[in-house]
Amino acid sequence: DAGVIQSPRHEVTEMGQEVTLRCKPISGHNSLFWYRQTMMRGLELLIYFNNNVPIDDSGMPEDRFSAKMPNASFSTLKIQPSEPRDSAVYFCASSLVGTGGQPQHFGDGTRLSIL
Amino acid sequence: ILNVEQSPQSLHVQEGDSTNFTCSFPSSNFYALHWYRWETAKSPEALFVMTLNGDEKKKGRISATLNTKEGYSYLYIKGSQPEDSATYLCANSMNRDDKIIFGKGTRLHILP
Repeated sequence: DAGVIQSPRHEVTEMGQEVTLRCKPISGHNSLFWYRQTMMRGLELLIYFNNNVPIDDSGMPEDRFSAKMPNASFSTLKIQPSEPRDSAVYFCASSLVGTGGQPQHFGDGTRLSIL
Repeated sequence: ILNVEQSPQSLHVQEGDSTNFTCSFPSSNFYALHWYRWETAKSPEALFVMTLNGDEKKKGRISATLNTKEGYSYLYIKGSQPEDSATYLCANSMNRDDKIIFGKGTRLHILP
């Protein structure tokens, strides 16, 4: 079975540009999570969706970040405008709903570098 | 304890030795405790999800225990091998439909 698929794997862009990260969850999973990994903060949750509905976006750093889940098989995380401090690895994960007791399955991540 | 805390931050273990490390979490409003293994340049991989006090789970040479009353979980690795080198993350959730909160992890290095 295909796991969580993220694209692109790597993105290098100049500050001020719009960045869009994409995620396809595992088929049948109805919870989706976006995380950011940094040296300082470790793995921090940005936002998560249950059944395509955003449940908690308290981890989204600021208005420059937005996330959507238009259907059960696709989600995007957008940064506009991007800044050098946004450089990090961004992970998407999915699980069955009832996420508190279900393991999360992670994609391979997108390594983002903002110059 | 308000957050998920893991100790030690880093650990060096000789190949063949056994080891263990700790995850502490808020014992109030507990629902589930997760353990993940995260190898360098890869993504976190689920090891265990535990919900019951006294629960013990095992996968090969790795096992975990759970004490929900006092708010801690131990992860044990028996007979460490080089492929065990990774960061081990624990995470807790307070209810069925809630997000999970990750600790900062224990980075394990197995010395040949």
